[in-house]
Amino acid sequence: GNSVTQMEGPVTLSEEAFLTINCTYTATGYPSLFWYVQYPGEGLQLLLKATKADDKGSNKGFEATYRKETTSFHLEKGSVQVSDSAVYFCALGAGGTSYGKLTFGQGTILTVHP
Amino acid sequence: GAVVSQHPSRVICKSGTSVKIECRSLDFQATTMFWYRQFPKKSLMLMATSNEGSKATYEQGVEKDKFLINHASLTLSTLTVTSAHPEDSSFYICSARDPADSGRNEQFFGPGTRLTVL
Repeated sequence: GNSVTQMEGPVTLSEEAFLTINCTYTATGYPSLFWYVQYPGEGLQLLLKATKADDKGSNKGFEATYRKETTSFHLEKGSVQVSDSAVYFCALGAGGTSYGKLTFGQGTILTVHP
Repeated sequence: GAVVSQHPSRVICKSGTSVKIECRSLDFQATTMFWYRQFPKKSLMLMATSNEGSKATYEQGVEKDKFLINHASLTLSTLTVTSAHPEDSSFYICSARDPADSGRNEQFFGPGTRLTVL
C-alpha cells in the first residue's frame, strides 16, 4: 500500500536558519505529492505541490522537488521566520482505485525562536 | 481558491449524547468530501469518503454506525458522532476535492472541529 514517512520531530531552529524536513514515500504508479501546513488550532493549508517527477513546488520561500529516483519530496527553506512555526505534513495523492485519497506522513513540528 | 468551512469549530458534550458536525464547500460544488480524525501530535487518519447522493465509504476499523455521514447536497456533508464517549474526543477535519481536479488530486481542508466529550 501507499505510505509516507517524514523525519521525526520536533525541529527547533533559530530565526534565519536553513530548514530541511525529509519526506519519502512508497506508492504504485505516479502519485501527486503535497506539503500541508497546520498552524496552532487551525486546519490544514496547502503549502506546495508537485504532480510529476522533477517538478519543483514552491510557495512562501519553501521548496520541494519531486524525486522519483529516490522517492523523496524533501521540504526546504533558506531562512525560516518565527511565523513559520507550525506542523508540516507531507502527503501523497495516489491514482488507480485509491484516486482522490490522500495518505499523510506523521507530521513534523517546527518551532522557530527569535 | 476553494473554501471549505466547518461548524461548529468547538463543541463540548456529555457522554452518551450525539453531536453533528457540518462541512460546507462555500464557493464550489463538491461531489466528494473526506472526513479525517486527528489525535494530539498525530497525523490525520482518514475515516471515510463522503459521496453526494450515495452511501459513504468507510475506512477499515471505522464504525459506520458510530460515525454517521450524510452528503445530501453538493455543498454539504455532515458527520454525526452517535452516543459519544470520552474516547471520541478529537479534532475532526473535513476536506473537499478540487472541483477542477484535472488529475491534480488536490483537496481543500476545513478549519476543523474540536470535540470534547465529558
